Amino acid sequence: EAQVTQNPRYLITVTGKKLTVTCSQNMNHEYMSWYRQDPGLGLRQIYYSMNVEVTDKGDVPEGYKVSRKEKRNFPLILESPSPNQTSLYFCASKRTTGELFFGEGSRLTVL
Amino acid sequence: KQEVTQIPAALSVPEGENLVLNCSFTDSAIYNLQWFRQDPGKGLTSLLLIQSSQREQTSGRLNASLDKSSGRSTLYIAASQPGDSATYLCAVRVFGNEKLTFGTGTRLTIIP
Repeated sequence: EAQVTQNPRYLITVTGKKLTVTCSQNMNHEYMSWYRQDPGLGLRQIYYSMNVEVTDKGDVPEGYKVSRKEKRNFPLILESPSPNQTSLYFCASKRTTGELFFGEGSRLTVL
Repeated sequence: KQEVTQIPAALSVPEGENLVLNCSFTDSAIYNLQWFRQDPGKGLTSLLLIQSSQREQTSGRLNASLDKSSGRSTLYIAASQPGDSATYLCAVRVFGNEKLTFGTGTRLTIIP
């Protein structure tokens, strides 16, 4: 089954404790991206990757890092999480036609 | 900077009715526009993708239209069903830019 898989789905952590949210897709898509969703603000793009070793900033990249060492994986790294990074995070990959496929989301709470 | 607006934020209609959801954008130089649905606690599911050169796309009971000159897209849902209850979002990509700008969505409730 074609899918985008994120882990963990739920995470509660404390300020400053580094964490990584993994994202994997099995559709051989070149493009992958990360979004955060906050009430009243909608989805905002954090980072995207056009292909392996190619990443670029979205609208809200501050406090996040990404890497794309292989096509199927695109982890999101929070080196020193802060409470304002409490949010619902989505990973997505994209067909060459432009259609986006989203993961189920990762709900992060930073205390 | 592209801004995407979806009004109303919430909509309730009786089962069986046809309905229209709206999406407005400020920059008409769009590359494509995509409609999604989001169920509570779930990710987004792609419904329809309209390329810049297209005026509409259809999938089953759904029809999406695009009018770049007026900065509007509509999603038409025919013969609504309770299973259509969800939040519907539109997202716009402009030429020369990989970034997607999302609207904040319309929460649709179909009343049985």
